Amino acid sequence: AQSVTQPDIHITVSEGASLELRCNYSYGATPYLFWYVQSPGQGLQLLLKYFSGDTLVQGIKGFEAEFKRSQSSFNLRKPSVHWSDAAEYFCAVRVSGSARQLTFGSGTQLTVLP
Amino acid sequence: DAGVTQSPTHLIKTRGQQVTLRCSPKSGHDTVSWYQQALGQGPQFIFQYYEEEERQRGNFPDRFSGHQFPNYSSELNVNALLLGDSALYLCASSLGAVNTEAFFGQGTRLTVV
Repeated sequence: AQSVTQPDIHITVSEGASLELRCNYSYGATPYLFWYVQSPGQGLQLLLKYFSGDTLVQGIKGFEAEFKRSQSSFNLRKPSVHWSDAAEYFCAVRVSGSARQLTFGSGTQLTVLP
Repeated sequence: DAGVTQSPTHLIKTRGQQVTLRCSPKSGHDTVSWYQQALGQGPQFIFQYYEEEERQRGNFPDRFSGHQFPNYSSELNVNALLLGDSALYLCASSLGAVNTEAFFGQGTRLTVV
């Protein structure tokens, strides 16, 4: 069965510092990859997605992610973090083809220090 | 353009009771998926409805059932509530059942006491 691992439960960065959130997936076929953000008590907002093509994808709010097939990774990055980026971040995978469900990681909680 | 709307936002139920949660998909979307998010965890897929039929189901017991109406809105029903059913229930809508972007609602926070 496919699985998604987010090894960092909690990350703390200072405002203005760079950020990288890690995501690894376990599945043999080509997956569709997503990053979502969730603010407290809120639903999920899509930051970016990778379906095919250029392995570096740009998203909203200045985020980007790079798909590395050899490492089964899809890490999320931002060059300069803002206080409003504090939230929980989820990586998700959907197998291409007939699969309908998203499989989520357990999330990474981001704290931003002033 | 209204996004995905869910009702109610919060709900408290007693163990053993039944509950119905509702979801209206984003305008133009015809597919609804339901997810359960327990505290401190990522969302877990419950099932997906497309063309008024359940198309795929996650690892959830039969106590969890659903329905999709002709206007594409959906209901999630949970019978014989357990304390462990306490969670945020998220609805996601998309256009078509496969390989498309899903938009999530704000969720319904269910507390079972």
